[in-house]
Amino acid sequence: SQTIHQWPATLVQPVGSPLSLECTVEGTSNPNLYWYRQAAGRGLQLLFYSVGIGQISSEVPQNLSASRPQDRQFILSSKKLLLSDSGFYLCAWSSASGREKLFFGSGTQLSVL
Amino acid sequence: SQKIEQNSEALNIQEGKTATLTCNYTNYSPAYLQWYRQDPGRGPVFLLLIRENEKEKRKERLKVTFDTTLKQSLFHITASQPADSATYLCAGGGSYIPTFGRGTSLIVHP
Repeated sequence: SQTIHQWPATLVQPVGSPLSLECTVEGTSNPNLYWYRQAAGRGLQLLFYSVGIGQISSEVPQNLSASRPQDRQFILSSKKLLLSDSGFYLCAWSSASGREKLFFGSGTQLSVL
Repeated sequence: SQKIEQNSEALNIQEGKTATLTCNYTNYSPAYLQWYRQDPGRGPVFLLLIRENEKEKRKERLKVTFDTTLKQSLFHITASQPADSATYLCAGGGSYIPTFGRGTSLIVHP
């Protein structure tokens, strides 16, 4: 069966520090991968998605970036965190054939202080 | 822009009653609507998908409708239980990545 791993679960970082969140998927090949952010009381905001290795599409201009170095690995990064980067970050995957069902990781609660 | 709207106010109901949550979409016509459950501090979990040519879909105590005239989906939980307390997210998709609503919090009181 397919599983998605996302870590860390909680992160407290000072303003201006770098960020690296990692997500890996097991049990499937060539998945579509997504990074979402969920601010308190807000909906899920799509940040990045990828349909293959090295293929990243950005939905919202910001100081975050994403990379997909391997088929089932998706990384969210920042060189310098802002206060506004605080939020709940979720990685998700869907099958290569469609987006009719997204499978989410357990999320990372990021607090930038 | 594409928009999914869900009631931001929490829905409080008594155990055993039917909970009904509403999802409205504007500025687009999704080919399908998805419903997810999200518990505090966890990622959303997929529950049901209904396509635009389907009026109704059921899964155990869950029922979802899709009204293209009203541009609305209703999500029903029958015989609700305290364990059903969570936030329920609606998302509308098609050939594009689904757009999510903010979710509606459901609280089922024993």
